Amino acid sequence: EPEVTQTPSHQVTQMGQEVILRCVPISNHLYFYWYRQILGQKVEFLVSFYNNEISEKSEIFDDQFSVERPDGSNFTLKIRSTKLEDSAMYFCASSEGRGGEKLFFGSGTQLSVL
Amino acid sequence: SQQGEEDPQALSIQEGENATMNCSYKTSINNLQWYRQNSGRGLVHLILIRSNEREKHSGRLRVTLDTSKKSSSLLITASRAADTASYFCATGPLGNYQLIWGAGTKLIIKP
Repeated sequence: EPEVTQTPSHQVTQMGQEVILRCVPISNHLYFYWYRQILGQKVEFLVSFYNNEISEKSEIFDDQFSVERPDGSNFTLKIRSTKLEDSAMYFCASSEGRGGEKLFFGSGTQLSVL
Repeated sequence: SQQGEEDPQALSIQEGENATMNCSYKTSINNLQWYRQNSGRGLVHLILIRSNEREKHSGRLRVTLDTSKKSSSLLITASRAADTASYFCATGPLGNYQLIWGAGTKLIIKP
């Protein structure tokens, strides 16, 4: 069964450093997303991406965040200058047809900012 | 902003029993979805119910939606140890793609 893959599974960084989280969505999917989950808290929407552009973003997704689909397979989330509060599990997801429906999630990248 | 809330927060039952989890939300939705998350893993889509549907079945899963009460329930029948996981409802608001998530119900199935 096709799956969304994320790398790395764990990322430790110093506050103020840039990080890039990588994702390979399912190949025939059209919509891509980033969500995050702080330990013990709710899953939070960050951004959705369709047709090579951001379709929606949340208040969390400020100027420190950016997404890119550099080629036909990868989808990346960049955090320019990490803060302690960016520590969370970051999930990439993709969906095939209608946006926001039946999302397939990767296993996540646990980001720890020290 | 919209907020989904599941209850109970935790549920522990014997294998073979039925498990019922509830979800409430606050604003108009396009759809409501249930996802499962095993510890330390990603979320797995279980079932989607649209705002014009009242009930949906998938295998041992039964979902109901009451838009007048802004609530949904997920029933897992004949539970198995492998059903042990956290279950989340996620609502799809009208007009956009983002999902609004509840805090989840942690389900433990005792063998």
